[in-house]
Amino acid sequence: DIQMTQSPSSVSASVGDRVTITCRASQDISSWLAWYQQKPGKAPKLLIYGASNLQSGVPSRFSGSGSGTDFTLTISSLQPEDFATYYCQHSFPSAFGGGTKVEIK
Amino acid sequence: EVQLLESGGGLVQPGGSLRLSCAASGFTFSTYAMSWVRQAPGKGLEWVSDISGTNGNTNYADSVKGRFTISRDNSKSTVYLQMNSLRAEDTAVYYCAKDHRVPGRYFDYWGQGTQVTVSS
Repeated sequence: DIQMTQSPSSVSASVGDRVTITCRASQDISSWLAWYQQKPGKAPKLLIYGASNLQSGVPSRFSGSGSGTDFTLTISSLQPEDFATYYCQHSFPSAFGGGTKVEIK
Repeated sequence: EVQLLESGGGLVQPGGSLRLSCAASGFTFSTYAMSWVRQAPGKGLEWVSDISGTNGNTNYADSVKGRFTISRDNSKSTVYLQMNSLRAEDTAVYYCAKDHRVPGRYFDYWGQGTQVTVSS
């Protein structure tokens, strides 16, 4: 089975900061990767699919890159509503990373 | 507007059974794969199972294989998760999720979740 490893597990940042989260797959998954945002008590929200495609309605400060085994999610200028936990997901069979919590510095 | 509404969660003793339902609306249900994803208290997301829209092919996580069964009734736009031989480690919020229209298993809509607690 494919394992997804995210780093860091948490990051402290300030409004306006650039934040980068990394996801590594245990084997080549091409571009079959998504990123989700989850806030406490809420369902996850799809941000990026196919490694770099922005989901409709998601602000352009979110971007995804990578292919093969190494992927990144970048928030170009952190906004107050972006403090949340972020998960990567291998598409099929589905497997989630452990999550990265973005906290207020 | 796409809506997914889970139901059927609750408190059950170890070894017991529960059947979760997810009623969908706002899209052509039969043409989309559907999945169940769970989240244990304070933990991350764990994919549980999925079922294709057309031929009903199913997949399961190793942690639930042989105990859980996913099914769907396209006439009712509903997907089910039959959970048997429940264990304490199955305690979680269970979400149903709809596949994105693009190839791949990406979840563009999620339900609000239903709590399953396995405890004596």
